[in-house]
Amino acid sequence: AQSVTQPDIHITVSEGASLELRCNYSYGATPYLFWYVQSPGQGLQLLLKYFSGDTLVQGIKGFEAEFKRSQSSFNLRKPSVHWSDAAEYFCAVVLRGLTGGGNKLTFGTGTQLKVEL
Amino acid sequence: GAVVSQHPSWVICKSGTSVKIECRSLDFQATTMFWYRQFPKQSLMLMATSNEGSKATYEQGVEKDKFLINHASLTLSTLTVTSAHPEDSSFYICSARVLAYSYNEQFFGPGTRLTVL
Repeated sequence: AQSVTQPDIHITVSEGASLELRCNYSYGATPYLFWYVQSPGQGLQLLLKYFSGDTLVQGIKGFEAEFKRSQSSFNLRKPSVHWSDAAEYFCAVVLRGLTGGGNKLTFGTGTQLKVEL
Repeated sequence: GAVVSQHPSWVICKSGTSVKIECRSLDFQATTMFWYRQFPKQSLMLMATSNEGSKATYEQGVEKDKFLINHASLTLSTLTVTSAHPEDSSFYICSARVLAYSYNEQFFGPGTRLTVL
């Protein structure tokens, strides 16, 4: 079945430590790939996206993600986490080649990041 | 950047009453708006897609008579939860996109917390 999987429901890291959030997808073709962050009381904010080209994508707030076709993965990374990064992170996909109503985001289950000071 | 607002940010209502949630694109015209529902500690589930001036397209399992969506203008979409019951209590999030027939970034509102007593 087509799906977006975030294996880690919760992750706790110390401030200043590196971070990697996992995302795997199961689709017949490579979809468009996104990472969003959701902070309490705020809307979802796009961190970065991958459509094509360079498989290492740079985003906002110091985040990056690497697309690996062989692993059907799009993991999010940050070299040094700040306390303000504590939030819920969602991986999402849009299937290629679809228009209109098919052109819509499907979200993973999310990973809650806690940052220890 | 593009801003999407939602009103109200939270609402408490009695069972059996109807509640209207507004979603506005503040600085751009949104030909397509999406409504999501998010349960605690869970992902966003797409409820429906609406294009300005036409009927909304509902996802499978979403009751169109219960969740009325109106997208009357390029900057406003409303979701009305009719005859609300406690099981309708949830976090409702809207998003807006500029073009309906090619992928463009979706901008998300901050969400509306609905509690039905």
